[in-house]
Amino acid sequence: ILNVEQSPQSLHVQEGDSTNFTCSFPSSNFYALHWYRWETAKSPEALFVMTLNGDEKKKGRISATLNTKEGYSYLYIKGSQPEDSATYLCAANTDKLIFGTGTRLQVFP
Amino acid sequence: DAGVTQSPTHLIKTRGQQVTLRCSPKSGHDTVSWYQQALGQGPQFIFQYYEEEERQRGNFPDRFSGHQFPNYSSELNVNALLLGDSALYLCASSSGQPNQPQHFGDGTRLSIL
Repeated sequence: ILNVEQSPQSLHVQEGDSTNFTCSFPSSNFYALHWYRWETAKSPEALFVMTLNGDEKKKGRISATLNTKEGYSYLYIKGSQPEDSATYLCAANTDKLIFGTGTRLQVFP
Repeated sequence: DAGVTQSPTHLIKTRGQQVTLRCSPKSGHDTVSWYQQALGQGPQFIFQYYEEEERQRGNFPDRFSGHQFPNYSSELNVNALLLGDSALYLCASSSGQPNQPQHFGDGTRLSIL
């Protein structure tokens, strides 16, 4: 059984702070690592899908890295804004998508 | 271009009843996955449908069943509802490749009384 773990569980930061979260997963039978952003009352929105060890992806102020050998991925947000407030979910794709419990980010103005 | 649509938005049932949830995938997607999200948990994979067949299944009892139609839309059926089935049920569609993101609907909130 694949366990995907995310930390921290929640995070409160001031506007302008940079922040990062961790997603860890067993490195066997790995196909891809997904990151999703889930705002309250909306549907989860895909941020990144990464497959190769050493992958780095960027979308505006948000970036992610992947280490498949040690089984972790980092998501970074540079200069957090209140609109970044959301739950950030990672999911490891073996033959099915297994989600972590998410990191809930709150950015205060 | 419509995204993933789910119906109904909310549903209230009592223990022992049966429920059917519906999902229409994003245009161009042929694979539909269903997830259950209980309070405080991440989405839990129920099953995935491709070409009208169940392709993968998570750790859910046989009370959970599904169907995919020729137009790729899908239904999730749950029989003999239990209080613990209260959750948000999410449908996601994709092209089926592991390196492609899934596109989620807004979910159906199911409450069991």
